[in-house]
Amino acid sequence: EAEVAQSPRYKITEKSQAVAFWCDPISGHATLYWYRQILGQGPELLVQFQDESVVDDSQLPKDRFSAERLKGVDSTLKIQPAELGDSAMYLCASSLGDWISYEQYFGPGTRLTVT
Amino acid sequence: AQTVTQSQPEMSVQEAETVTLSCTYDTSESDYYLFWYKQPPSRQMILVIRQEAYKQQNATENRFSVNFQKAAKSFSLKISDSQLGDAAMYFCAYRGGATNKLIFGTGTLLAVQP
Repeated sequence: EAEVAQSPRYKITEKSQAVAFWCDPISGHATLYWYRQILGQGPELLVQFQDESVVDDSQLPKDRFSAERLKGVDSTLKIQPAELGDSAMYLCASSLGDWISYEQYFGPGTRLTVT
Repeated sequence: AQTVTQSQPEMSVQEAETVTLSCTYDTSESDYYLFWYKQPPSRQMILVIRQEAYKQQNATENRFSVNFQKAAKSFSLKISDSQLGDAAMYFCAYRGGATNKLIFGTGTLLAVQP
């Protein structure tokens, strides 16, 4: 069964350093999502792509976060510089499209610790 | 703005018993979907069950069923014949309205005792 892949699974970085996460969605899925899950909370959407275009980045802290999906397939989420408050699980999900009924499939996540 | 509330941070159930997880939500929309997701430790989140708001019949998936009370804005999950593999964090989620975002509650950590 196809799965969403993410790497790395764990990342420890120092404050003010740059960090990047990678996501490979299920083949054929046009919509890709990045979520942030702070310990003890539910995931919160950071950015949503439809193919290579950003359709929602209203909750993305754009002064330090950036995301791209250049060829409409895999995606990278970058943080520069990292802050202590960025410690969280970063989840990637994909779906066939943006229709409300389409299931979102989640990857295993990248757990980021900023020291 | 839409909100999802899970008032039970932790629950415990004996193996083979039944447990109900609670969820309430707030929305002014009439067309929306509700979901329960399961997040096992160190594994990806998976969809357990979903309910379309326009459907009056409660959704069922094997041992998992929901009690959808639209007027009360309540959406509880019942797990029957609980198994050790059911131990996980369970998230209630809402999707609908103009933003079409998936909005999660804070989760309920379910422990299954042998």
